[in-house]
Amino acid sequence: DAKTTQPPSMDCAEGRAANLPCNHSTISGNEYVYWYRQIHSQGPQYIIHGLKNNETNEMASLIITEDRKSSTLILPHATLRDTAVYYCIVRGGGADGLTFGKGTHLIIQP
Amino acid sequence: NAGVTQTPKFQVLKTGQSMTLQCAQDMNHNSMYWYRQDPGMGLRLIYYSASEGTTDKGEVPNGYNVSRLNKREFSLRLESAAPSQTSVYFCATRSAGVNSPLHFGNGTRLTVT
Repeated sequence: DAKTTQPPSMDCAEGRAANLPCNHSTISGNEYVYWYRQIHSQGPQYIIHGLKNNETNEMASLIITEDRKSSTLILPHATLRDTAVYYCIVRGGGADGLTFGKGTHLIIQP
Repeated sequence: NAGVTQTPKFQVLKTGQSMTLQCAQDMNHNSMYWYRQDPGMGLRLIYYSASEGTTDKGEVPNGYNVSRLNKREFSLRLESAAPSQTSVYFCATRSAGVNSPLHFGNGTRLTVT
């Protein structure tokens, strides 16, 4: 699986858009980009995933650059409940799980 | 619809004791996983089961055994607990789709003294 690089922490004001970057310069053609988050002491929660097109769902938007070497998760109107660790993971097919790094600790400030 | 249910939520063991962590899912997913998470760390895969009747080692399998009892249930056993196994254990499931996401339970917090 390709390695990902995320900033260890970020702040964002409540009500503003939170933009979380992820670098994955060694991504290969069949690997998807996944985003999960983990709110303190809970199990990780799936947010969104994509291959090369931008994706949007009720939680967030995922913007993947044309060369696929980086991506950005956008939470359009951050709330205090969005404070969590956000994990960016790159993975191809197969049943052998996902590899989680240390993620980005996003703190939403009131 | 409970999703992924883990029991117990909390457990304290003495060194050398054994216990089994239980995981059950009602989503009819084929694949199931056990992860551990230590303070300040990401999740590390212990074992997984791609389908009923199969199990495979993950990144950190030593000191653990697993059983895929049926499609719904996947248990993790510590035969002789050690303080290094103090951690939060998460079970996850995944449907058969090639790139389908993982769905996690809320964890079992295990302390070994």
